Amino acid sequence: GIQVEQSPPDLILQEGANSTLRCNFSDSVNNLQWFHQNPWGQLINLFYIPSGTKQNGRLSATTVATERYSLLYISSSQTTDSGVYFCVDRGSTLGRLYFGRGTQLTVWP
Amino acid sequence: NAGVTQTPKFQVLKTGQSMTLQCAQDMNHNSMYWYRQDPGMGLRLIYYSASEGTTDKGEVPNGYNVSRLNKREFSLRLESAAPSQTSVYFCASRQPGQVIYGYTFGSGTRLTVV
Repeated sequence: GIQVEQSPPDLILQEGANSTLRCNFSDSVNNLQWFHQNPWGQLINLFYIPSGTKQNGRLSATTVATERYSLLYISSSQTTDSGVYFCVDRGSTLGRLYFGRGTQLTVWP
Repeated sequence: NAGVTQTPKFQVLKTGQSMTLQCAQDMNHNSMYWYRQDPGMGLRLIYYSASEGTTDKGEVPNGYNVSRLNKREFSLRLESAAPSQTSVYFCASRQPGQVIYGYTFGSGTRLTVV
């Protein structure tokens, strides 16, 4: 199956700081998504981004499919950004989502 | 609000007990999924249902059974719970062909088997 590596594994920021999360894939990227798991465990779909760049408020994501990586940018971080960020690709098998281990983000006030 | 509803949110079982996790979605999605999440890991697929009336095994199906009761509901059953099944369980749904909308996840069921 697809191997998904995320870095860094942990990130601690002061409120207002910017950050970049990275995701590398062992195989071609098909249907990449970024999820945020909040401290209550809820999984929220942030971006569907198989290629190119998208922006949503303070968050943006870029996927370079030919080089098998994706980046998630968080600007002016807020305490509500805390949680775990997962990048996920959907393989050819229906329903099979390949998750990275996630980046644990903690934003302090 | 539209979405995926899971019940219960928390459950403690004794080894050998059985239980059913319930999942319902009101988005008219055809595909539904059950995942488990263990500490420090991403989600792993247990079972999925591509459409009403069909179910298939995922990555870690042993010890589980599922029922796609109708288009809305997809339940996961533990027949004889084991401590190794202590995990957080997520149900998800998706409408094939509408990939842009991605997956919608329920809020999870935290299960502890003692």
